[in-house]
Amino acid sequence: GEDVEQSLFLSVREGDSSVINCTYTDSSSTYLYWYKQEPGAGLQLLTYIFSNMDMKQDQRLTVLLNKKDKHLSLRIADTQTGDSAIYFCAERSGTASKLTFGTGTRLQVTL
Amino acid sequence: DAGVIQSPRHEVTEMGQEVTLRCKPISGHDYLFWYRQTMMRGLELLIYFNNNVPIDDSGMPEDRFSAKMPNASFSTLKIQPSEPRDSAVYFCASSPGQGRSEAFFGQGTRLTVV
Repeated sequence: GEDVEQSLFLSVREGDSSVINCTYTDSSSTYLYWYKQEPGAGLQLLTYIFSNMDMKQDQRLTVLLNKKDKHLSLRIADTQTGDSAIYFCAERSGTASKLTFGTGTRLQVTL
Repeated sequence: DAGVIQSPRHEVTEMGQEVTLRCKPISGHDYLFWYRQTMMRGLELLIYFNNNVPIDDSGMPEDRFSAKMPNASFSTLKIQPSEPRDSAVYFCASSPGQGRSEAFFGQGTRLTVV
């Protein structure tokens, strides 16, 4: 079955870049997503990448996809305190419409 | 559209009581998902529907859990009887099922069973 893994915690200083990593097992993944969850709130889509792409940039966010290694990363440039949240990686299998989520990475931004 | 609407936002109940969580998906979305989030297990998919029909309920933990979707604009997740280990945040999400098919999440229901 599908499995998505992430490290649990990342701490960075304000102004530095953050890199959150994710690995997945489903080779038929069509779309991969990054969601952000702020305290007490639901998950909100940050960005996504189609499986035939290697990279996608959206303002401060850069998504890199290594399909061979089934590795996805999210880079946040110039990290701000407002970026402190839990970040979830998710993949959508080509055979179903359900999304499989990783465990989430808690990003802590320090001054 | 107001997004996915869940109610109640918070629920505190005594062990053994029945609990019903409600969800209104985004109009026009064909898929509806129920997730549970805990510190120990992270985000787990409990069940999902396509066009009001349950497709995969393999994530439902026990027979105490049941979910229905009587029409395209409403779904319920029921726990009967509830137990303290059911305490979690329950999220409903909906998806159009077309294109990039991202899931749109509600704000969640925080359930505490005492």
